[in-house]
Formats: sequence, structure tokens, C-alpha cells
Amino acid sequence: DVKVTQSSRYLVKRTGEKVFLECVQDMDHENMFWYRQDPGLGLRLIYFSYDVKMKEKGDIPEGYSVSREKKERFSLILESASTNQTSMYLCATLGGGGPEQFFGPGTRLTVL
Amino acid sequence: GEDVEQSLFLSVREGDSSVINCTYTDSSSTYLYWYKQEPGAGLQLLTYIFSNMDMKQDQRLTVLLNKKDKHLSLRIADTQTGDSAIYFCAESIADNFNKFYFGSGTKLNVKP
Repeated sequence: DVKVTQSSRYLVKRTGEKVFLECVQDMDHENMFWYRQDPGLGLRLIYFSYDVKMKEKGDIPEGYSVSREKKERFSLILESASTNQTSMYLCATLGGGGPEQFFGPGTRLTVL
Repeated sequence: GEDVEQSLFLSVREGDSSVINCTYTDSSSTYLYWYKQEPGAGLQLLTYIFSNMDMKQDQRLTVLLNKKDKHLSLRIADTQTGDSAIYFCAESIADNFNKFYFGSGTKLNVKP
């Protein structure tokens, strides 16, 4: 079974702080994704990566950056957290020839 | 991004069938998916259908795809209280990269 883990389930940060969200997968998948989930808006793609050191902007990249230095790890960075970035963040992977994404448990981030 | 639309809520009685509907706009979809999200958790893949299929059945789940109307449905037979969750419809578009587009989710409430 694919396992996708995220570093924290719950996180509380202050406005202006730099925030790192980590995602690690153990199935050697090439593609990794970061989404944010907000009520009534579903999942919106922030960034994705199709290989080490490669990244592509999704639909809502503003205020975020990412890092993929190793194949198994994809980090989402909020350079200066703002209250409108309070949300549930979900990491997902895709690979191995299969068509489905596998999701981590999510990180609920609150920015005060 | 592409438009994937779902109704926000559905309420059924235990033992009844549930039908969750989804419409999408991109006719170049390759796969269409149903994911389930329980409270506080990530998304779990329930089933997916290749875009050249009309129907897929998996135990209590039946997926119907009407490509002409761009309509996807998920039928859950003999709905149980454990089926209460948010159900997301998603499509994948295989252009240069594998992009996924999610609906806003349908919250299914199963009453005993």
C-alpha cells in the first residue's frame, strides 16, 4: 500500500511566520501535489512536481512556494503566513503507472 | 481550471440507495474518480472509471458515466451510517502533465 505522511495533523502559526509543511511518500511515485481544501470550494491545486527539483504552478500558487530535493519528499512553504491561508492542506502522489492519486491525512493550519 | 460541479448535500435513510451526481466540462477527460473523505481525514479513493466506459460496479458501488451529457454518478446501495462522509468527484486530463480537477464535494448524511 502507498503511504503518504504529512508532518503535522494540526498546526497553529502567527501572521508573518514562515511555515513549512512536509509530505513524504514511500512508493517511489514521480508526481506529487499540494492542495488546499476549503468548505464549498473543494480541492484547489497549489503546486505540483513531476520529478526531483521540478515544479509547476497550480491554480492558486500565490503566497506559496515548494521544494522537492528528494523524490520522496515534497515541501510546501508559506513565506509569510496570512490569516487567509488558514485551511486544510492535502498532499497527494501519483505514479507507478496507475491513474489514481493517493492522499495524505492532511494538515489543518490555523494562522492567527 | 476545469469545472467539476456537485450538489453540496444529500440526506438518505439507512438501507436506502444514495445517488451522488457530478457534472464536468472537459470532454478530454481520461479518467473520472470518486473519493470519500471522513471527518478529519484525507481523501480515500473509492473507485474510478476510464472515460470510454459507461458503467463500473464494485460491490455496493455503481458508477455511471454519460459522456454525451458529461455526467457522472455514484450509486451506493443499502447505504449505512458508516457511509456518512464527503464524496468528491474528480477528473484527470492527460495533457502535458497529469492534472486533476475536483468538485466541491457532496456531504452525505445517513439517518438511522
